[in-house]
Amino acid sequence: RKEVEQDPGPFNVPEGATVAFNCTYSNSASQSFFWYRQDCRKEPKLLMSVYSSGNEDGRFTAQLNRASQYISLLIRDSKLSDSATYLCVVTINTGGFKTIFGAGTRLFVKA
Amino acid sequence: DTAVSQTPKYLVTQMGNDKSIKCEQNLGHDTMYWYKQDSKKFLKIMFSYNNKELIINETVPNRFSPKSPDKAHLNLHINSLELGDSAVYFCASSLSKSGPTYEQYFGPGTRLTVT
Repeated sequence: RKEVEQDPGPFNVPEGATVAFNCTYSNSASQSFFWYRQDCRKEPKLLMSVYSSGNEDGRFTAQLNRASQYISLLIRDSKLSDSATYLCVVTINTGGFKTIFGAGTRLFVKA
Repeated sequence: DTAVSQTPKYLVTQMGNDKSIKCEQNLGHDTMYWYKQDSKKFLKIMFSYNNKELIINETVPNRFSPKSPDKAHLNLHINSLELGDSAVYFCASSLSKSGPTYEQYFGPGTRLTVT
């Protein structure tokens, strides 16, 4: 089983749609959780951290369920510019903090 | 003003050659990383350095040797290049005192093609 698993997609949605991405992680000792965004042929960039209480940043909402080892990202009112790959990221303390990236979920938002 | 820079951006070379990729960050971070992103887009950590000391060394062939001359630089040298080394290599940096909640800043990547 992969340490961080995501549905690879692609998700094809019209502008204005709401889309949700899911992610599961296997190591119960995982400490921190993030969503990164990667545009085609570009570097990953932090979209948002994910907290147990859930957090929102504009049109983006992230949720964490530690009991189920599950992370989600909800994008409301999708924009064309949201088209990208969304990477679920987990850190584990192995003496140093090791960061594990999921394979990513591709999103295409169409006019 | 570039935060994390890598050189070269593209590298095309033949099997068996030795090559280096350089990375520099001007963010004042104390931790730097090398990641490999293969053709399936899976991003995997290779090495992590904190204050010039190696703290994470994943299962990477010993043909790959990182070197950190100071906190702002982390270079990657690859000996005897193989076809399977073709990938995009990303350098990243972060501030360790942030603990596990740190954000990593990535360089633009070096696209290595081995022929």
